[in-house]
Amino acid sequence: GAVVSQHPSWVICKSGTSVKIECRSLDFQATTMFWYRQFPKQSLMLMATSNEGSKATYEQGVEKDKFLINHASLTLSTLTVTSAHPEDSSFYICSARDEKLFFGSGTQLSVL
Amino acid sequence: RKEVEQDPGPFNVPEGATVAFNCTYSNSASQSFFWYRQDCRKEPKLLMSVYSSGNEDGRFTAQLNRASQYISLLIRDSKLSDSATYLCVVNVRGAQKLVFGQGTRLTINP
Repeated sequence: GAVVSQHPSWVICKSGTSVKIECRSLDFQATTMFWYRQFPKQSLMLMATSNEGSKATYEQGVEKDKFLINHASLTLSTLTVTSAHPEDSSFYICSARDEKLFFGSGTQLSVL
Repeated sequence: RKEVEQDPGPFNVPEGATVAFNCTYSNSASQSFFWYRQDCRKEPKLLMSVYSSGNEDGRFTAQLNRASQYISLLIRDSKLSDSATYLCVVNVRGAQKLVFGQGTRLTINP
């Protein structure tokens, strides 16, 4: 079946640094990818919809200047958490749709 | 009111028991419905789609009630490996994004 690859799996960084997370669709082209954030014991919250070749669509309350999304090709979308702070520590997951929705394995971000 | 609501649980049931939980959705334009399973610190994985006529996959049965705007998941003969969080997911007609419920935590005890 379709596979979505997400890297890295774990990131520990200092406050103020930027972190880039990659999401790749391995055997299908994805014009649209989705980025979610999940805090412990809470549901997945959609942050933004990444559109290949155009600007991402952000959900209400998500800062577009802090969470930079780039979808430069049909198989790759990146999420950059800029100037990360401890409150940004969370589990970030990407997904892409073939016929069904497939998820990356997630990235656990810990900001010290 | 949340778009998709689930009882967060936790539900603790003995191995072999039958367990069921519901999920309600608020948008009557909701078109597609799914149950996903998520293990701790892992990505969600599709368990089954939910069809209007109801559908079954082995020990799992999903049903949709459009009039009351809820879907249900029934697990028969529960196994220890069924312990997970079950996410109710809804797609509104014409929208790209899926809306996730909070999830219901289920623990199957030996």
